[in-house]
Amino acid sequence: QVQLQQWGAGLLKPSETLALTCAVYGGSFSGYYWSWIRQPPGKGLEWIGEINHSGYSNYNTSLKSRVTISVDSSKNQFSLKLSSATAADTAVYYCARRDCIGGICYHHDYWGQGTLVTVSS
Amino acid sequence: QPVLTQSSSASGSLGSSVKLTCTLSSGHSSYIIAWHQQQPGKAPRCLMKLESSGSYNKGSGVPDRFSGSSSGADRYLTISNLQSEDEADYYCETWGSNTRVFGGGTKLTVL
Repeated sequence: QVQLQQWGAGLLKPSETLALTCAVYGGSFSGYYWSWIRQPPGKGLEWIGEINHSGYSNYNTSLKSRVTISVDSSKNQFSLKLSSATAADTAVYYCARRDCIGGICYHHDYWGQGTLVTVSS
Repeated sequence: QPVLTQSSSASGSLGSSVKLTCTLSSGHSSYIIAWHQQQPGKAPRCLMKLESSGSYNKGSGVPDRFSGSSSGADRYLTISNLQSEDEADYYCETWGSNTRVFGGGTKLTVL
């Protein structure tokens, strides 16, 4: 059974960099894309970006200038950094796996438990 | 890029059936989507992948009460024999060449 376990700082001051890491247990790490998705309090889901085991990444254009997603395939882990955080970045952040079959990738089929990140002075 | 539209709320009585709708934007009616359930205070859980043909593949452990269907640009999630634990937010998801998109979500209340 695939499990995603995530961690990182839950409280930031404005202008600081948000940093989260997600570890993948069970199943293959290669052959999939690994995403970060966030959910502001009381609101819907927003895709941030994704990366594969080789380091190829895609980002939401609205966040691209501030986001870096990296991967450590030796540890089956991937990480998110979001720079210059503001109160608008306050949200629950989820890591998730995109299901890929034969090189074609589809929806997110496994999710991490979520981490609430609050940006406040 | 595709846009997904969902009604903000829906309700159904215990033991009844409810049908939630997710509508794809113009020009994207052939897109595959997925349905996710988010119970209060929990992470989303993938329910199924749903194709334009109406064919669907459910996630591991998803009860038989959950089914999917399609008509044109509309994708449906039907929940039969509603249970109290079905009270949750339901999101649809799709993907374009370089973007992944979620609908705004439907809050389902079980009466």
